[in-house]
Amino acid sequence: AQSVAQPEDQVNVAEGNPLTVKCTYSVSGNPYLFWYVQYPNRGLQFLLKYITGDNLVKGSYGFEAEFNKSQTSFHLKKPSALVSDSALYFCAVRDGAGANNLFFGTGTRLTVIP
Amino acid sequence: NAGVMQNPRHLVRRRGQEARLRCSPMKGHSHVYWYRQLPEEGLKFMVYLQKENIIDESGMPKERFSAEFPKEGPSILRIQQVVRGDSAAYFCASSLGGSYNEQFFGPGTRLTVL
Repeated sequence: AQSVAQPEDQVNVAEGNPLTVKCTYSVSGNPYLFWYVQYPNRGLQFLLKYITGDNLVKGSYGFEAEFNKSQTSFHLKKPSALVSDSALYFCAVRDGAGANNLFFGTGTRLTVIP
Repeated sequence: NAGVMQNPRHLVRRRGQEARLRCSPMKGHSHVYWYRQLPEEGLKFMVYLQKENIIDESGMPKERFSAEFPKEGPSILRIQQVVRGDSAAYFCASSLGGSYNEQFFGPGTRLTVL
């Protein structure tokens, strides 16, 4: 069975500081991992994904994520936060053993304080 | 290059009425997914369709809900005899197919049942 945990409902960070949004996962096969961002009253926007290869994945808007197989984690990071990064962030996993759908975490609300 | 389109953006129905939600995938995408998002929760998978076929409906309630993706025209999510618990945001996503390809999401339809 697939599952995703985002242990923090809310993350606050000062503008210009590095940010981390945590995600851990559980799948039976190889994990395909995704990060999406949701702005108020909007759909989800794709940020980045890990399928295979380098553990550090770079994505849109300066975000990156590191796949850690031993810790079953895929934390989202950015070196310097912007106020415009304030939004709801979702981690999602797909079981590479043939699952059709994405399984989403409950989301982390990021607030960047000016 | 139009993204995933959904209409209507907002839909109000009274208990017992029918709701029809439409989704046009991105150009070139033949795989469509429907998700439901309750307030302050992540997205929950409902159904996965390819043209004229339902591939996986494991997340769909057994009664009152149905989905189709005809050869011509948009995908339709249909909810018959709506109840207050059906109030949610319904998101459609499309992809090229394959477990490793990201899904692109529409802006969602917010259904309110009075």
